[in-house]
Amino acid sequence: QQQVKQSPQSLIVQKGGISIINCAYENTAFDYFPWYQQFPGKGPALLIAIRPDVSEKKEGRFTISFNKSAKQFSLHIMDSQPGDSATYFCAASFDTSGSRLTFGEGTQLTVNP
Amino acid sequence: DTAVSQTPKYLVTQMGNDKSIKCEQNLGHDTMYWYKQDSKKFLKIMFSYNNKELIINETVPNRFSPKSPDKAHLNLHINSLELGDSAVYFCASSQEGRGGGTQYFGPGTRLLVL
Repeated sequence: QQQVKQSPQSLIVQKGGISIINCAYENTAFDYFPWYQQFPGKGPALLIAIRPDVSEKKEGRFTISFNKSAKQFSLHIMDSQPGDSATYFCAASFDTSGSRLTFGEGTQLTVNP
Repeated sequence: DTAVSQTPKYLVTQMGNDKSIKCEQNLGHDTMYWYKQDSKKFLKIMFSYNNKELIINETVPNRFSPKSPDKAHLNLHINSLELGDSAVYFCASSQEGRGGGTQYFGPGTRLLVL
């Protein structure tokens, strides 16, 4: 049962452009929505996370937009750089220790110089 | 210092063999996890331990057996390896309290079953 759906599967953006990755979830009890970044040969690393009491969270060039009524959230990467090329995963969980992360399918982002 | 470490990094073995993957975290976290990442990069939870107690046990063949000797270690033993077990296995850890959803991943163990 896929509870978090992510799109697109792959994304190619020019340097300086905006990268947008979308996710939709089903379980309304989820209350923690992180994005993970994974470089080839490495483990996923937390990039930015949001809780449903806010509609947007920004950290540097990375912004999460959250729409609770639509059960959707998205990652925006402003001024995309070649170093941002990686696989991005959205996830959802309950905001307690030991909660499993339910991941989206991942988006392979390529930023061309 | 590496926060979450796994050994070995690569594991190539024959079908039917038994192998173990070790994980250690030096973050002082109380919860540890095993995830499997398949060839399509999909990440799926396998197990989770909190203070050495099993709290998540997904639908995983019973050939897979996790063991947590202490809070800082979570090992994964796999019996009778099959071709379909080939994947990257990630260990992760997290801390009690709000933000418990923040999990820190190890570098992964790339398992290839021939």
